Amino acid sequence: NAGVTQTPKFRVLKTGQSMTLLCAQDMNHEYMYWYRQDPGMGLRLIHYSVGEGTTAKGEVPDGYNVSRLKKQNFLLGLESAAPSQTSVYFCASSLWTSGRARDTQYFGPGTRLTVL
Amino acid sequence: QQQVKQSPQSLIVQKGGISIINCAYENTAFDYFPWYQQFPGKGPALLIAIRPDVSEKKEGRFTISFNKSAKQFSLHIMDSQPGDSATYFCAASIINYGQNFVFGPGTRLSVLP
Repeated sequence: NAGVTQTPKFRVLKTGQSMTLLCAQDMNHEYMYWYRQDPGMGLRLIHYSVGEGTTAKGEVPDGYNVSRLKKQNFLLGLESAAPSQTSVYFCASSLWTSGRARDTQYFGPGTRLTVL
Repeated sequence: QQQVKQSPQSLIVQKGGISIINCAYENTAFDYFPWYQQFPGKGPALLIAIRPDVSEKKEGRFTISFNKSAKQFSLHIMDSQPGDSATYFCAASIINYGQNFVFGPGTRLSVLP
């Protein structure tokens, strides 16, 4: 049981390049999230998904796209990277059961992205 | 109204001392308040959480105190250890709307041996 894994761990991009970050979870969780973490700003939600085939915008969605084609995977895409997207990106997942809150989020180890 | 404020930004405590981190929120609809612990190079992990129907929750050396009327909650780490050195995030959410997690900016705790 690996929990939540993220690929890659590190990446350096040039401005205007594109890339996709992959998140995978093996806990059969319905909910998945992408956050970015910047110094002094905590974690900010980029996009989230409440199930396979569904996605929704979070607090800071501009410049990012996501897809959830399979329940266990949640992809975060940057179509044209900008230096402002230099950050550490975390994926998380949580379980939903009927009538109960999705309280605990399980986080991956993060991807450190630098855009030059 | 969605913001969660957290203080202090950094904290240095001697081994065996008490570490206290405070958070405040505005949105009275929040009804779940977790604390996450993050070690360098790792993702955050749930440490302890509280719901507003109780004023205190204790798990080992970690205690959350909750003041609903003041819209404040705090984390107390008793007998702080060097292994507790990490960044701590408070958060708030609305039950049944898990996507509405809002995180504080974090507190970097250093426990000196």
